Amino acid sequence: DAGITQSPRHKVTETGTPVTLRCHQTENHRYMYWYRQDPGHGLRLIHYSYGVKDTDKGEVSDGYSVSRSKTEDFLLTLESATSSQTSVYFCAIGLGSTREQYFGPGTRLTVT
Amino acid sequence: GQQVMQIPQYQHVQEGEDFTTYCNSSTTLSNIQWYKQRPGGHPVFLIQLVKSGEVKKQKRLTFQFGEAKKNSSLHITATQTTDVGTYFCAGPEGGSEKLVFGKGTKLTVNP
Repeated sequence: DAGITQSPRHKVTETGTPVTLRCHQTENHRYMYWYRQDPGHGLRLIHYSYGVKDTDKGEVSDGYSVSRSKTEDFLLTLESATSSQTSVYFCAIGLGSTREQYFGPGTRLTVT
Repeated sequence: GQQVMQIPQYQHVQEGEDFTTYCNSSTTLSNIQWYKQRPGGHPVFLIQLVKSGEVKKQKRLTFQFGEAKKNSSLHITATQTTDVGTYFCAGPEGGSEKLVFGKGTKLTVNP
């Protein structure tokens, strides 16, 4: 258990509304990641962070923004949710020189 | 961009049969990692391979890294119902801190 929690665990929202998902870790790890998982697409990286206020884009970053003002929290924001953003979102921390990923429990987001 | 491909996408076996999933990268990898995701769960790190030709075993699971460090395989001997899930491979994207995941192989086991 890498001490990662995600909130909320489930959310239903309407198209056009802003949504923020939170990832929280308790062990002061530097590297944090946001993925989305969709059938047939596996895990796709949205954004990642390599320190406080240091973030970079992943493969599917359009429509998403992130913030990391504290080591322990990595926030993912959908500024204006769309139905195509219905997905399961996983946060992960990366450990070691090869950034082995340890995942949180996930957030299931439905945009209606 | 870098691609990591896994085959097969799905595999259904009878309990006791063997299972193998293959992972191929479009570029040479410094390491390859394997993950397992149980139905309804989150991906869990299993192992990483670093050296060319490396073979590692975890009980009934055998992991191999190709000589050219562009492919890898996971073999399960005598599957059990506890092996059910989706197996992902992942490799680093160039010199970045990002990992690129394959789309996974979903294993179902008939008891």
